[in-house]
Amino acid sequence: EAQVTQNPRYLITVTGKKLTVTCSQNMNHEYMSWYRQDPGLGLRQIYYSMNVEVTDKGDVPEGYKVSRKEKRNFPLILESPSPNQTSLYFCASSFYSGANVLTFGAGSRLTVL
Amino acid sequence: EDKVVQSPLSLVVHEGDTVTLNCSYEVTNFRSLLWYKQEKKAPTFLFMLTSSGIEKKSGRLSSILDKKELFSILNITATQTGDSAVYLCAVGGGAQKLVFGQGTRLTINP
Repeated sequence: EAQVTQNPRYLITVTGKKLTVTCSQNMNHEYMSWYRQDPGLGLRQIYYSMNVEVTDKGDVPEGYKVSRKEKRNFPLILESPSPNQTSLYFCASSFYSGANVLTFGAGSRLTVL
Repeated sequence: EDKVVQSPLSLVVHEGDTVTLNCSYEVTNFRSLLWYKQEKKAPTFLFMLTSSGIEKKSGRLSSILDKKELFSILNITATQTGDSAVYLCAVGGGAQKLVFGQGTRLTINP
């Protein structure tokens, strides 16, 4: 089944404890992106990647890192999480660019205490 | 700055009613406008519009784009309780990204 898989789906952590949210897609998509969703603010882009080893900042990149060493994987790294990073995170992918139809993962709900 | 604004933010109607959701945008180098439906989890794709004036239709849902006035509408006729969801509008422009609106929360009461 064609899909985007994120893990973990739910996580409660404490301030400053590094964590990684993994994202993997099996559709051979070139474009991958991370969004966070907060009440009243909609989906905001954190980082995106056009292809392997090509990444760029979205609208809210502060406090996050990403890497794209393989085409299928695009992990989101929070080096030192803070409470304002408590949010619902979505990974998404599409064939060629962010202006195309994105396929979303199921979401990862992160709480930072 | 690129901007997508949806209205209303929230809407409650009775089953069987027809609803119209609005999406206006200011995005550099417009490429596409997409509608997604989000029920408790990941957004799922509904429509992608790139040309002005051409209606896209799927069952009771339809959407149209006006590139001159920079807006789109999503219509749902004969609403059902299963249509209750957040509807997201997103516009693809420059910088290889989709800019999302805040979403419209639609509640259909039986």
